[in-house]
Amino acid sequence: DTGVSQDPRHKITKRGQNVTFRCDPISEHNRLYWYRQTLGQGPEFLTYFQNEAQLEKSRLLSDRFSAERPKGSFSTLEIQRTEQGDSAMYLCASSLPQGTGELFFGEGSRLTVL
Amino acid sequence: AQSVTQLGSHVSVSEGALVLLRCNYSSSVPPYLFWYVQYPNQGLQLLLKYTSAATLVKGINGFEAEFKKSETSFHLTKPSAHMSDAAEYFCAVSEGSNYQLIWGAGTKLIIKP
Repeated sequence: DTGVSQDPRHKITKRGQNVTFRCDPISEHNRLYWYRQTLGQGPEFLTYFQNEAQLEKSRLLSDRFSAERPKGSFSTLEIQRTEQGDSAMYLCASSLPQGTGELFFGEGSRLTVL
Repeated sequence: AQSVTQLGSHVSVSEGALVLLRCNYSSSVPPYLFWYVQYPNQGLQLLLKYTSAATLVKGINGFEAEFKKSETSFHLTKPSAHMSDAAEYFCAVSEGSNYQLIWGAGTKLIIKP
């Protein structure tokens, strides 16, 4: 499978715990995006990378959220001290650098904070 | 500022009927436009895209959309709905050097037997 893969697909955690999600983009795509989606809403931009550089972060991304892409390949999104409001689907997408903005999405990682 | 408006959070059609999902955008420059589909508990899949070539764009699963600059619209249509079309549909626009996508709120398509 050469698509975008995300792990884990589902995560249930208790409030206050830390969680980490991983995204492996399509290999030739050097742009990688993280979005958050809550039920009945469209994707909400969190951050994006070009290679290993994090070029933009949403104002919505609190200091409890951190994303990395250390070698310009896979990326991790960590949420520290989770809150119930963090419960959502976390979507990863990748794209070509000179494309039109077309994104290729993974299946998402669903987080439930109890 | 760019924005995308999808009219109708829910659209219900009978199986075999025409599907029409509306999308209007605001953009100061010619945009790139996209329709994505999302099935429950899955990621988003590209249905079709407009990238300044033909104004009538054909996509997967029998869907098509027409770019109308004068109306700033990019409505999605399918002549005959199928039960498997039940899903949420998102319209998005990108522009600018970093091609960030601006998303509509989505339209949930319900197919009645």
